[in-house]
Amino acid sequence: EAQVTQNPRYLITVTGKKLTVTCSQNMNHEYMSWYRQDPGLGLRQIYYSMNVEVTDKGDVPEGYKVSRKEKRNFPLILESPSPNQTSLYFCASSPTSSSTDTQYFGPGTRLTVL
Amino acid sequence: QKEVEQDPGPLSVPEGAIVSLNCTYSNSAFQYFMWYRQYSRKGPELLMYTYSSGNKEDGRFTAQVDKSSKYISLFIRDSQPSDSATYLCAMSVQTGANNLFFGTGTRLTVIP
Repeated sequence: EAQVTQNPRYLITVTGKKLTVTCSQNMNHEYMSWYRQDPGLGLRQIYYSMNVEVTDKGDVPEGYKVSRKEKRNFPLILESPSPNQTSLYFCASSPTSSSTDTQYFGPGTRLTVL
Repeated sequence: QKEVEQDPGPLSVPEGAIVSLNCTYSNSAFQYFMWYRQYSRKGPELLMYTYSSGNKEDGRFTAQVDKSSKYISLFIRDSQPSDSATYLCAMSVQTGANNLFFGTGTRLTVIP
């Protein structure tokens, strides 16, 4: 089954404790991205990747890191999480970077930083 | 002013009703317009996209773009309880997915 998986689905952590949210897709997509979704602000892009070893900042990259060492995986790293990073996070992938390509979203990771 | 404005609702309608969901935007350079549906505890899924002005129909769904008014709409005919979800509009100037601007979403409930 074609899908985007994220782990963990739910995470409660404390300020400053490094964490990684994994994202994996099995559709051989070139383009992958991370979004955060907050009430009243909608979906905002954090980072995106056009292909392996090619990543770039989205609209809200501060406090996040990413890597794309393999085509299928695109982990999101929070080196020192803070409470303002409490949010619902989505990973997405699409065949290319065209906005008219269907973006496949993962199920989401709800992160709470205390 | 936000680039994209969308009434958050919630919107409740009886089964079978025609639903109209709308977004307004401020950037006249937007050319690509999309509607996503997001069920509770799920990621968004692309419903429809439209390039520039005009209408596009897909089954019970019709997407409409009025660039002169900077206004887009999604109409759902014969609404079903399975249409209950949050609907997000999104738009971009160029084709790059890294340039998408999303609305905040409208929560719709279709009552049987």
